[in-house]
Amino acid sequence: DSGVTQTPKHLITATGQRVTLRCSPRSGDLSVYWYQQSLDQGLQFLIQYYNGEERAKGNILERFSAQQFPDLHSELNLSSLELGDSALYFCASSEQGTQETQYFGPGTRLLVL
Amino acid sequence: GDSVTQMEGPVTLSEEAFLTINCTYTATGYPSLFWYVQYPGEGLQLLLKATKADDKGSNKGFEATYRKETTSFHLEKGSVQVSDSAVYFCALSEDNQGGKLIFGQGTELSVKP
Repeated sequence: DSGVTQTPKHLITATGQRVTLRCSPRSGDLSVYWYQQSLDQGLQFLIQYYNGEERAKGNILERFSAQQFPDLHSELNLSSLELGDSALYFCASSEQGTQETQYFGPGTRLLVL
Repeated sequence: GDSVTQMEGPVTLSEEAFLTINCTYTATGYPSLFWYVQYPGEGLQLLLKATKADDKGSNKGFEATYRKETTSFHLEKGSVQVSDSAVYFCALSEDNQGGKLIFGQGTELSVKP
């Protein structure tokens, strides 16, 4: 158990819909990262937050947004969903948001029908 | 941009065989290098890491040496077990890009008794 929790574990929805994925980091970790894992793109970095502020951005679609709240949990919002958004979404956390070990949650599997 | 290339899988070995999974990288700065492992149905967990040239990371019988001259971080284990069956990801984190991880495509390892 990494100490990072993600909810829900599975999500099935339809095209055009909006969903919210939630992540709680390990106790004491200030930085949260979101990654997308798909068969064709592999593991891709989406976005990083540190203590409530956005620190780095990857190839995150404009339809996707995220935030980190004062209690340090984070949410990833995916809107206008397309079939191609079906993937496993991982959240990870680390202490300071630098070149350090990241601890991954179990992931949320999103299926868009 | 920065990238990581791993040998393609799947790799199938017999128990107690020697394992090598090749990993090479392209980076502009001073990256830290990581190997993460993903067991079926689980999130990623750190296997080992190295933060500067010539460092050797090791854990659970696995080893990898940070070779700047060949831009490589090959994973090795002298005697694999059935329980090592998993997907292995090589990754880098640059020193000037927050903590985001750039992953290779992953190598699936299957160890047969």
